[in-house]
Amino acid sequence: DTEVTQTPKHLVMGMTNKKSLKCEQHMGHRAMYWYKQKAKKPPELMFVYSYEKLSINESVPSRFSPECPNSSLLNLHLHALQPEDSALYLCASSLTDNYGYTFGSGTRLTVV
Amino acid sequence: EDKVVQSPLSLVVHEGDTVTLNCSYEVTNFRSLLWYKQEKKAPTFLFMLTSSGIEKKSGRLSSILDKKELFSILNITATQTGDSAIYLCAGTNSGGSNYKLTFGKGTLLTVNP
Repeated sequence: DTEVTQTPKHLVMGMTNKKSLKCEQHMGHRAMYWYKQKAKKPPELMFVYSYEKLSINESVPSRFSPECPNSSLLNLHLHALQPEDSALYLCASSLTDNYGYTFGSGTRLTVV
Repeated sequence: EDKVVQSPLSLVVHEGDTVTLNCSYEVTNFRSLLWYKQEKKAPTFLFMLTSSGIEKKSGRLSSILDKKELFSILNITATQTGDSAIYLCAGTNSGGSNYKLTFGKGTLLTVNP
């Protein structure tokens, strides 16, 4: 299995909703990442988990809450989002030290 | 602050042309340079370059890294309409738990029939 699987593929949520994005990999990668990508822009790093511990938080608003329950799973909990948070949310994973960096297919999030 | 600059930002060519995409980087504790192709969804991996002067090839695509001059190029020969995409370059650093990718803004390649 050489994939990073993200669910759901599409999500529409209201500003008062609570939802979660899920990411799963079974490649034995010990680093997992959340990126946000707006249209026609490169991906922007949000969070990095290394060995299931949060190692980087790129000053992301608290309405985004990451969680890494185990080495194969990464969640992004969403609460009270704004319309400007609408974007493609990408999960990625890598072996330690960047090797094998692989992206999931993303969740297209629309906040209404 | 780490920085990756790609040029050109957009490029329009005809099928069969050869294109060269450029990527320069300033990355602290540089480890590798990654190239991705992005169509409508997630970026798909093309190449990872860690050593200077060693060309990596995959079909009509090839890439090389110059660690002295801090740049990389991605060549695509005999372009096809299916090559139309955004090509992203990213620098990675090494050491500790900092596995951050710094992306350039991408080059939008359009290949017309």
